[in-house]
Amino acid sequence: GDSVTQMEGPVTLSEEAFLTINCTYTATGYPSLFWYVQYPGEGLQLLLKATKADDKGSNKGFEATYRKETTSFHLEKGSVQVSDSAVYFCALSESGGSYIPTFGRGTSLIVHP
Amino acid sequence: ETGVTQTPRHLVMGMTNKKSLKCEQHLGHNAMYWYKQSAKKPLELMFVYNFKEQTENNSVPSRFSPECPNSSHLFLHLHTLQPEDSALYLCASSPRRGAGNEQYFGPGTRLTVT
Repeated sequence: GDSVTQMEGPVTLSEEAFLTINCTYTATGYPSLFWYVQYPGEGLQLLLKATKADDKGSNKGFEATYRKETTSFHLEKGSVQVSDSAVYFCALSESGGSYIPTFGRGTSLIVHP
Repeated sequence: ETGVTQTPRHLVMGMTNKKSLKCEQHLGHNAMYWYKQSAKKPLELMFVYNFKEQTENNSVPSRFSPECPNSSHLFLHLHTLQPEDSALYLCASSPRRGAGNEQYFGPGTRLTVT
C-alpha cells in the first residue's frame, strides 16, 4: 500500500537558519503530494502541493519539489522564523484507486529566537 | 463563519455517556472526513463521505457512529467510549473525493474520556 515517511523530530533551529524536512513516499500510481502545517491548538492547514513530477509547490517562503526519480518531496525554507514553529505533515493522494489520503507521522519544528 | 468549524472544541465525557461532535463546512465541498489524532501516533482516517454517502469506514469500532445529513454537515455520535478514545478529533472537507484535492481541516474537538 501507499506510505509516507518523514524524518523524525523534533527539529530545533535558530531563527534565520535553513530548514529541510525530508519526505519520501511509496505509491502504486501517480500521486499528488502535499505539505500541511499544524500550529498549536489548531487543525491542519495546507501549506503547499504538487500534482505531477518536477512541479514545485511554494507558499510563505516554503518550497518543495516533486521528485519522481527519488520518490521525494522535501520541504525547504531559506530562513525560518519563530512563528514557523509547528508540526509539518507530508501527505499523498493517489490518482487512481480509493483516493484516500496517506499522511506521514509529522515532524515537529521548534525555532528559537 | 468561514472554512470548517467544529463544536464543541473541548469535551469531557464518562464512559457511559452519549455525546455528539459536529462539523460544518462553508466551502461548498462535497467530501467530508473524520480523523483521530492521538499523541505519538499517525493521523488516523476514520470515515469518508462523498456526496453524503459513506465511502470509507476504516475499521472503526461501532461505538463511533457517523452521520452526514447533507454535504455541509458531518456528525460523529459517541457512546460507551473507552479511555483510549481520548484524542483530538479532526473534521476535514475537500471539493470532492479525489487526487489533487487538498483537504481543509477544522480546529478539532479535544475529547477526554474519564
